[in-house]
Amino acid sequence: DTAVSQTPKYLVTQMGNDKSIKCEQNLGHDTMYWYKQDSKKFLKIMFSYNNKELIINETVPNRFSPKSPDKAHLNLHINSLELGDSAVYFCASSQFTLSTDTQYFGPGTRLTVL
Amino acid sequence: SQQGEEDPQALSIQEGENATMNCSYKTSINNLQWYRQNSGRGLVHLILIRSNEREKHSGRLRVTLDTSKKSSSLLITASRAADTASYFCATVSTGNQFYFGTGTSLTVIP
Repeated sequence: DTAVSQTPKYLVTQMGNDKSIKCEQNLGHDTMYWYKQDSKKFLKIMFSYNNKELIINETVPNRFSPKSPDKAHLNLHINSLELGDSAVYFCASSQFTLSTDTQYFGPGTRLTVL
Repeated sequence: SQQGEEDPQALSIQEGENATMNCSYKTSINNLQWYRQNSGRGLVHLILIRSNEREKHSGRLRVTLDTSKKSSSLLITASRAADTASYFCATVSTGNQFYFGTGTSLTVIP
């Protein structure tokens, strides 16, 4: 069984469009995360939710809005997509919080904005 | 700038040799973690070492942590072609900020 899953795996879209990436974890973890990995493989945390509450919100354009309908899901909605949004987006989860726990990553969603 | 800087950026070795990667960071940490990322895949957690620990082992992996130098190293012994991947350190600061390093791309030649 897949522990952390993301859909879609690939997403190609035009500038200005709005798109969503979905993430689900079946590990029973309390905390979920979104990361962006750019073309140079630099990984940056974007958001973290613990039990459906936002606990980390790094400096990210407000075009990015996470939504957590329940603690097993953390979706990422992106408005008005820009060329610079092209990257691989990873979802992750951990049992507790970053300070004590390791994370399990999803396979990533490669977003290409044309 | 980001918290973790890794050295070297790229490493190419023969199968059977040992591979050593280093990670330096800037602020006080709660723990430091190492992850592996195979090409086109998500990250896989390898080892977590806490700030009060100096060394940890897991199979062919050995991680050291020197908090006075703000550095960590990952040693992979008797490398295999399947170890070819990018390796990232990640730090959790005492302020609960989380950063990944720049990564080391390891190629193990069969």
